Amino acid sequence: QSALTQPASVSGSPGQSITISCTGSSNDVGGYHLVSWYQQHPGKAPKLIIYDVNHRPSGVSDRFSGSKSGNTAYLTISRLQPEDEADYYCSSFTSTSTPWMFGGGTTLTVL
Amino acid sequence: DVQLVESGGGVVQPGGSLRLSCAASGFAFDEYGMHWVRQAPGKGLEWVSLISGDATRTDYADSVKGRFTVSRDNSKSSQYLQMNSLRPDDTAFYYCAKDGAQYDALGRLEHWGQGILVTVSS
Repeated sequence: QSALTQPASVSGSPGQSITISCTGSSNDVGGYHLVSWYQQHPGKAPKLIIYDVNHRPSGVSDRFSGSKSGNTAYLTISRLQPEDEADYYCSSFTSTSTPWMFGGGTTLTVL
Repeated sequence: DVQLVESGGGVVQPGGSLRLSCAASGFAFDEYGMHWVRQAPGKGLEWVSLISGDATRTDYADSVKGRFTVSRDNSKSSQYLQMNSLRPDDTAFYYCAKDGAQYDALGRLEHWGQGILVTVSS
């Protein structure tokens, strides 16, 4: 069981916005600014889309944004496009004996 | 362009050993921490290990501590994962990933290899 909890699935229609949550604790998400988000299409390697809670790597669309409130981080995708359909994973530094953890992943379906 | 290429995967019996390699190119290898992340077929991502650019720091997931050892050879721009006492639940695609923070390790896995399959089965 992941220490970071994500909804198993979310869905939205093209043009809409969706938000994926990632809930941890003060030992990880709430205690550090080191939350990342990854997008993974079937059969492909993950791709970094957000780091340090709300920073986008160069080349990543500004439709992707990140935020954090307390022990929960959020990934928002605006103006949904069919190619956004993928699995999304959050990750955070933790003060536990395993220093990095991923959430269980969220499957986004674009209807 | 940054490239990460894993090799060394395959089928191994429970209790056996395997050594994965990750050959890197396109960046100053010794300036960046390197991670291993695995993904069981059809399952989510699991962080496995980190080694700092100068190899003075290594970290492991509890699930592999004492069985896996990460190392690197900066002269060959390569990192390695020695996996001993393998169990069926170690079966996964193993990804090599580069941390995006120069001279540090902040968990920004900005470049990934294509992954390599390790199957532990009798």
